[in-house]
Amino acid sequence: DSGVTQTPKHLITATGQRVTLRCSPRSGDLSVYWYQQSLDQGLQFLIQYYNGEERAKGNILERFSAQQFPDLHSELNLSSLELGDSALYFCASSGLRTDSGNTIYFGEGSWLTVV
Amino acid sequence: AQKITQTQPGMFVQEKEAVTLDCTYDTSDPSYGLFWYKQPSSGEMIFLIYQGSYDQQNATEGRYSLNFQKARKSANLVISASQLGDSAMYFCAMREYRDDKIIFGKGTRLHILP
Repeated sequence: DSGVTQTPKHLITATGQRVTLRCSPRSGDLSVYWYQQSLDQGLQFLIQYYNGEERAKGNILERFSAQQFPDLHSELNLSSLELGDSALYFCASSGLRTDSGNTIYFGEGSWLTVV
Repeated sequence: AQKITQTQPGMFVQEKEAVTLDCTYDTSDPSYGLFWYKQPSSGEMIFLIYQGSYDQQNATEGRYSLNFQKARKSANLVISASQLGDSAMYFCAMREYRDDKIIFGKGTRLHILP
């Protein structure tokens, strides 16, 4: 168990709909990262938050948005869903680089299927 | 420009043999970290090993070791005495501390043969 919790684990929804994926980081971790992994693809970095503030942005579509709340949990909102958005969405968290927690730990992922 | 390169899309290795998975990286940040993750068919990302750019010794974790050659910008993963359960996708990743981004390579699919 990595200590990073993602919900839901599986989700099937129709094109055009909106979904919210939720992530609770490991206790004490201030950074949250979101990644998208399509079938047989590597991990595409979407966005990173640090202590509630957006820190880095990757290949995140305008239809997608995210935020990190004061309790440090994060949500990734995906709207106007398309078939191509079907993927495994990972959340990861990490501590400060100077901590022993340099490691980035991943949640189990949220499998999204758009039909 | 790709910052993390894994040149082996797939590998087949006989059980009990050692295997080396290649990873080269590119950064101008003097402070960075290198990671390897295993992704079995069930999908989860399992952390294997970490190497900091200032670490003098190669990292080891059980059967996993990281062959860190800083001048060559390579961070190969070595798995000793491979097991059937090692069959999975393996990703190399780099964390540049300048902007804290974490970039992944495209992965290597490892098949262990009985």
